[in-house]
Amino acid sequence: KNEVEQSPQNLTAQEGEFITINCSYSVGISALHWLQQHPGGGIVSLFMLSSGKKKHGRLIATINIQEKHSSLHITASHPRDSAVYICAVYGGATNKLIFGTGTLLAVQP
Amino acid sequence: NAGVTQTPKFQVLKTGQSMTLQCAQDMNHEYMSWYRQDPGMGLRLIHYSVGAGITDQGEVPNGYNVSRSTTEDFPLRLLSAAPSQTSVYFCASSYLNPRGWDEAFFGQGTRLTVV
Repeated sequence: KNEVEQSPQNLTAQEGEFITINCSYSVGISALHWLQQHPGGGIVSLFMLSSGKKKHGRLIATINIQEKHSSLHITASHPRDSAVYICAVYGGATNKLIFGTGTLLAVQP
Repeated sequence: NAGVTQTPKFQVLKTGQSMTLQCAQDMNHEYMSWYRQDPGMGLRLIHYSVGAGITDQGEVPNGYNVSRSTTEDFPLRLLSAAPSQTSVYFCASSYLNPRGWDEAFFGQGTRLTVV
């Protein structure tokens, strides 16, 4: 079993829909990251969080440390949101990031 | 501000050849790392560095060497390429945060094919 599990693996949505991507992890962490990888391959950091909730534009990330779970929400989705969304946790004991396998999101007009 | 510059973007090697993937950052980040990305798997750490002169192995270090002679540069060397090293490689850098990784900046990736 992977230490970081994402669901769903693939997601197709219609423009305007509310989208949720989930991330569960099994290790103790000090921080969790959400990353976005566009079809061209580049990876950008969206959020780093260790508690509560963060919001940036139409993106919202939440984390529940007790349940070892995080969600990434996209409100009013748009085709330009189509990308792979990657969850990664910083396992303090290992001093390394552990990545999930990603969620491929396609938003259709 | 160029961020993280990774070259080349594409490379085809023959089995047994060697090459160096270049990674440079201009943000004075202490932490630099190399990952490989394979279909169906998450990014896997090859090697990392927490400062000039300091490097350490990640999850999949075999067949790769690194050095960190300056804060800015962190090249990845493939000593004798093998088809199993066909992958997409990413370099990343960040400040070191005592609570964990700070915001990470990634290079554009190198798509390497070993034939």
